[in-house]
Amino acid sequence: NAGVTQTPKFRVLKTGQSMTLLCAQDMNHEYMYWYRQDPGMGLRLIHYSVGEGTTAKGEVPDGYNVSRLKKQNFLLGLESAAPSQTSVYFCASRGQGQGNEAFFGQGTRLTVV
Amino acid sequence: KNEVEQSPQNLTAQEGEFITINCSYSVGISALHWLQQHPGGGIVSLFMLSSGKKKHGRLIATINIQEKHSSLHITASHPRDSAVYICAVRDTGNQFYFGTGTSLTVIP
Repeated sequence: NAGVTQTPKFRVLKTGQSMTLLCAQDMNHEYMYWYRQDPGMGLRLIHYSVGEGTTAKGEVPDGYNVSRLKKQNFLLGLESAAPSQTSVYFCASRGQGQGNEAFFGQGTRLTVV
Repeated sequence: KNEVEQSPQNLTAQEGEFITINCSYSVGISALHWLQQHPGGGIVSLFMLSSGKKKHGRLIATINIQEKHSSLHITASHPRDSAVYICAVRDTGNQFYFGTGTSLTVIP
């Protein structure tokens, strides 16, 4: 998965705490995505971005905010963490054009207690 | 709503067996991806298909656009193939839809 880096890889939060997950890609990709992965469910889209300075809501955006101030970085924020946000979070990116592959990060395992 | 359905959900095979994982989808797509996820690991893209067939080593992926169906085949399976295989489709609006995955265990 060279090219998409997520930090941190693991984190434990207390309910009500805040944190930011960072996704960085060095492939000059336009599209970036944040997903959460929960047992028995496919990856679900939280927010996405089609370019620097733009963001949009996905399927499960509540409780999360995002920013894309620089093209290479897509930040996912939890303002007040809840146990329901315990999940594995994946970032993905892809370039414009129908023929471009998607690249995924290694995931961030977040536990909210 | 399940735009992408995979089968089987779980699969156990003996080393050396030929394995098939199926994926059906209901949306119009630009491309279909087969992804691999090892336990506790990240997600790796194995194939991206928009038509026909692709082969990488022991892995073969096919897609039938008219039938909205794709298959992932593993020939001469090996324990290191044990992983979750995820089918994902990208619609014409650049959104991805994911199957719930097929958990494959290959026994030596």
